[in-house]
Amino acid sequence: AQSVTQLDSHVSVSEGTPVLLRCNYSSSYSPSLFWYVQHPNKGLQLLLKYTSAATLVKGINGFEAEFKKSETSFHLTKPSAHMSDAAEYFCVVSDRASGTYKYIFGTGTRLKVLA
Amino acid sequence: NAGVTQTPKFRILKIGQSMTLQCTQDMNHNYMYWYRQDPGMGLKLIYYSVGAGITDKGEVPNGYNVSRSTTEDFPLRLELAAPSQTSVYFCASSYGREMLNSPLHFGNGTRLTVT
Repeated sequence: AQSVTQLDSHVSVSEGTPVLLRCNYSSSYSPSLFWYVQHPNKGLQLLLKYTSAATLVKGINGFEAEFKKSETSFHLTKPSAHMSDAAEYFCVVSDRASGTYKYIFGTGTRLKVLA
Repeated sequence: NAGVTQTPKFRILKIGQSMTLQCTQDMNHNYMYWYRQDPGMGLKLIYYSVGAGITDKGEVPNGYNVSRSTTEDFPLRLELAAPSQTSVYFCASSYGREMLNSPLHFGNGTRLTVT
């Protein structure tokens, strides 16, 4: 069965420094992977998705993620944090088992950006 | 382009009361989902549907019911509200298996409190 683990429940960075949010997945299929962002009291917005066309995926707001099959990882990065990046981030893997198509969520990483 | 629309945004229920959370999408997605979000727990799948007339249980279906009479609508019913159902509920839709790497599109959520 597919699963996803977000290795940090909270991450704090200073404004202008790099961001790294870690995600490991387990999948018996070629996975579909996504990162979503949720700002306080808001819905979930798609940041980026892995399409298998390229291992380095670019998303919105300067975020990127690199798919590493050998490490079963899909870490989210950004070169320089902005105050507006403070939010909760979810790594998601799709479960493409026969007859279903479910999305499995990690437990989330709350990013705090310090001035 | 409305996307996924959920109503109401907020609701307070007394224990034992019933209510229906409404969800509609205008993207012609066959796949629709209901999730609940509790602090620190990520999103848990309640029910999902792969098309009109077809529904199935997710991880946490107890205390809930769904129906899918049209492609557009996927209401979630709480029959006897309990304090454990206090949560934020998200409806989502996607192309699912019909389009590789299809992401989830979310509504803005319903914040439900049961007292």
